[in-house]
Amino acid sequence: AQTVTQSQPEMSVQEAETVTLSCTYDTSESDYYLFWYKQPPSRQMILVIRQEAYKQQNATENRFSVNFQKAAKSFSLKISDSQLGDAAMYFCAYRSPSGTYKYIFGTGTRLKVLA
Amino acid sequence: GAVVSQHPSWVICKSGTSVKIECRSLDFQATTMFWYRQFPKQSLMLMATSNEGSKATYEQGVEKDKFLINHASLTLSTLTVTSAHPEDSSFYICSVYGGGDNQPQHFGDGTRLSIL
Repeated sequence: AQTVTQSQPEMSVQEAETVTLSCTYDTSESDYYLFWYKQPPSRQMILVIRQEAYKQQNATENRFSVNFQKAAKSFSLKISDSQLGDAAMYFCAYRSPSGTYKYIFGTGTRLKVLA
Repeated sequence: GAVVSQHPSWVICKSGTSVKIECRSLDFQATTMFWYRQFPKQSLMLMATSNEGSKATYEQGVEKDKFLINHASLTLSTLTVTSAHPEDSSFYICSVYGGGDNQPQHFGDGTRLSIL
């Protein structure tokens, strides 16, 4: 069975600085999808970025980028130029390529942004 | 705009009553929807997978008689918490699978359920 681990329960970053949130996973599948979701205090789940395992190129969405290391089964999220609005819980999620399409979520990292 | 509409956003009711939560897919037909439960400061816990026109698939440990799921159309799934008790108080979130292997789940805004 697949597992997702987020080893940092909480992180802090100064406004305008860069922070990296870590996520590792365990799977025997060769093809899969990885996602980062943001959950602000409003508790909405907002998709931040996604990565297909068959793509070697790291995904980027504006200030958000990932460092996808398939062999190491690592999928970290880098937030550049951090803003106060980035403060939230961040969840890493794994999804198999077919079948039930269920997500396996990590336990989350709470990001605090300091003014 | 919103892809998924979840209603109500907050409900308070007395112990012993049943509560229905609706999840609507606004932008596309959804053969698969998911229901999650989230305790404070914890991750999302998948309760069940809702399949249009068939019985829901419940995760281990989830009482199917307590949490009734109906997915009667391609745009609507409902979760009914039957004979709710204070321990059922939680945040419930639905999501819609968008179809296509590389598509993400789209989440509703959640329902805060408080049982007195």
